[in-house]
Amino acid sequence: QVHLQESGPGLVKPSDTLSLSCVVSGYSITGSSWWGWFRQPPGKGLEWIGYIYHSGSTSYNPSLKSRLTMSIDTSKNQFSLKLTSVTAVDTAMYYCARGAPGSFFYMDVWGKGTTVTVSS
Amino acid sequence: DIQMTQSPSTLSASVGDRVTITCRASQRISTWLAWYQQKPGKAPKLLIFDASSLQSGVPSRFSGSGSATEFTLTISSLQADDFATYYCQQYSSSPYTFGQGTNLEIK
Repeated sequence: QVHLQESGPGLVKPSDTLSLSCVVSGYSITGSSWWGWFRQPPGKGLEWIGYIYHSGSTSYNPSLKSRLTMSIDTSKNQFSLKLTSVTAVDTAMYYCARGAPGSFFYMDVWGKGTTVTVSS
Repeated sequence: DIQMTQSPSTLSASVGDRVTITCRASQRISTWLAWYQQKPGKAPKLLIFDASSLQSGVPSRFSGSGSATEFTLTISSLQADDFATYYCQQYSSSPYTFGQGTNLEIK
């Protein structure tokens, strides 16, 4: 059974950097899957943030690209997100997810999500 | 960016009804489309990929169709567990955009 678990600070101050991690269990992060981050502001729809492959290749949402860095740690079977200069609009539930094996961009396994609030 | 537009935004239906949700893309995306179900406080769940392929473990009452710019998700006979919000997502080109969602509620 593949499981993904997000972790992060919960509360971030404006202008600070948001850092989130996603630990993967039951599947090797070096498998043929892309790994993704998504977010959902309160009461709103889903937004794709970015994908990363175990090789380090990335694909970022252009709207976030200037503030976003994704990384992967194969030794810990986890991947991470850093979003700089956060503001209130970055307040959301953040989800990590696995792209379907075979290097597909639809996500077949999701974490439960972690809430991030940007506030002073 | 490819804009994804779902209709309706809200759909009221009863158990046993057949319902259809439509998703339109602003550009041709072949069949690079997924459908997700999301319940309050939960993560999205993959239902359909490649426009019409049923994800393993998803009941056969769910089906998807379409190509290019117009797609549909059909639930053949609504069950109580199906009342949720449904999203389409294109994965043809970055940014991989979602529709705004369709809230399927009990009539």
